[in-house]
Amino acid sequence: NAGVTQTPKFRVLKTGQSMTLLCAQDMNHEYMYWYRQDPGMGLRLIHYSVGEGTTAKGEVPDGYNVSRLKKQNFLLGLESAAPSQTSVYFCASKTSASTQYFGPGTRLTVL
Amino acid sequence: AQSVAQPEDQVNVAEGNPLTVKCTYSVSGNPYLFWYVQYPNRGLQFLLKYITGDNLVKGSYGFEAEFNKSQTSFHLKKPSALVSDSALYFCAVRDGGQGNLIFGKGTKLSVKP
Repeated sequence: NAGVTQTPKFRVLKTGQSMTLLCAQDMNHEYMYWYRQDPGMGLRLIHYSVGEGTTAKGEVPDGYNVSRLKKQNFLLGLESAAPSQTSVYFCASKTSASTQYFGPGTRLTVL
Repeated sequence: AQSVAQPEDQVNVAEGNPLTVKCTYSVSGNPYLFWYVQYPNRGLQFLLKYITGDNLVKGSYGFEAEFNKSQTSFHLKKPSALVSDSALYFCAVRDGGQGNLIFGKGTKLSVKP
């Protein structure tokens, strides 16, 4: 039981490049979340999903897209990366009754 | 709108002394409150939560939190701090029916030997 895993762990992009971050969970959780963590700002919700095939916007969705084609996976895409998207990205998942379980994070730098 | 505030960026404590990490909240309705801990280069780990019932909530690693409705606070406490407790602590409140969490900005706890 690996819990919540994130791929990759680190990535450096140039401005304008695109990439996809993968979050996978093996706990059969319905809900999945993408957050970004910036110094002095805590965690802010980017997008979330309440089930396979559904997604919704969080607090800071601009510049990001997501997809939840399979229940166990939640993908976060950056179509045209900007330096303002330099951050640490965390994925989390939960059931309707549980607390959120977090992945180890992806550190993204956009030059 | 729901919100939480952590008024201290950093808390310094000597090992063996009691520690308190402060959190205040603003919600409409009954609050669902959480504490998470983040060790360096790691994801967040759940410590404890308050939904209803006893105002003193016990959690992992010897931590507890006291819910105070009149002061709208949910402070994290531990009777005797360990150096290994040094980490970043986040208070959070549930926002809406989807279980989304709104996090505070975090408090860095430093426990010195």
